[in-house]
Amino acid sequence: GAVVSQHPSWVICKSGTSVKIECRSLDFQATTMFWYRQFPKQSLMLMATSNEGSKATYEQGVEKDKFLINHASLTLSTLTVTSAHPEDSSFYICSASGPGQGNSQETQYFGPGTRLLVL
Amino acid sequence: DQQVKQNSPSLSVQEGRISILNCDYTNSMFDYFLWYKKYPAEGPTFLISISSIKDKNEDGRFTVFLNKSAKHLSLHIVPSQPGDSAVYFCAASDSWQGGSNYKLTFGKGTLLTVNP
Repeated sequence: GAVVSQHPSWVICKSGTSVKIECRSLDFQATTMFWYRQFPKQSLMLMATSNEGSKATYEQGVEKDKFLINHASLTLSTLTVTSAHPEDSSFYICSASGPGQGNSQETQYFGPGTRLLVL
Repeated sequence: DQQVKQNSPSLSVQEGRISILNCDYTNSMFDYFLWYKKYPAEGPTFLISISSIKDKNEDGRFTVFLNKSAKHLSLHIVPSQPGDSAVYFCAASDSWQGGSNYKLTFGKGTLLTVNP
């Protein structure tokens, strides 16, 4: 299957700082990328959907000014957590899909996730 | 409001026996269901799916059953193997959203442990 990477795999930062997480599709062009967040013992919750070259669509309750998403190329999307606070500590995971990967739900390929801890 | 529920956080079975993982949903608009498998430090990987027009889909040792009237689906793994030990997520989608931006709603996952 297709490979999606995320960087960094984990990050610890001070409250008030911004953190950028990268999501890359390594062997296919991802026209659509999804960002999820998972709190301990909870399900993966979709935060936003981003299409290459256009603004991301955020789910209800997700602050677009706090979670900045950029999908400027077909292989890279970034999620920036601005002015991070301890309550933003979570597991952030991206998935990607694109042409040739099909337009079906099963062809979302997930990255390994990024664990964020805000002190 | 949890639209996809996996009420068993963990399940332990013996190697060679059947593993049955359950999932319930509340949104009647969901018409496509998927199971994902996740190992530690890795992203979820797609396992098997089923459309609401079917009640069963089989792929090797994995079979998914869908009971639309009960809004319930289950994943059967037989025979279970130690390598199947992982977290299994149930996910659902409303394919009538259109386009390729299918939104997946996930359950909390069930940790399956297959003992040798």
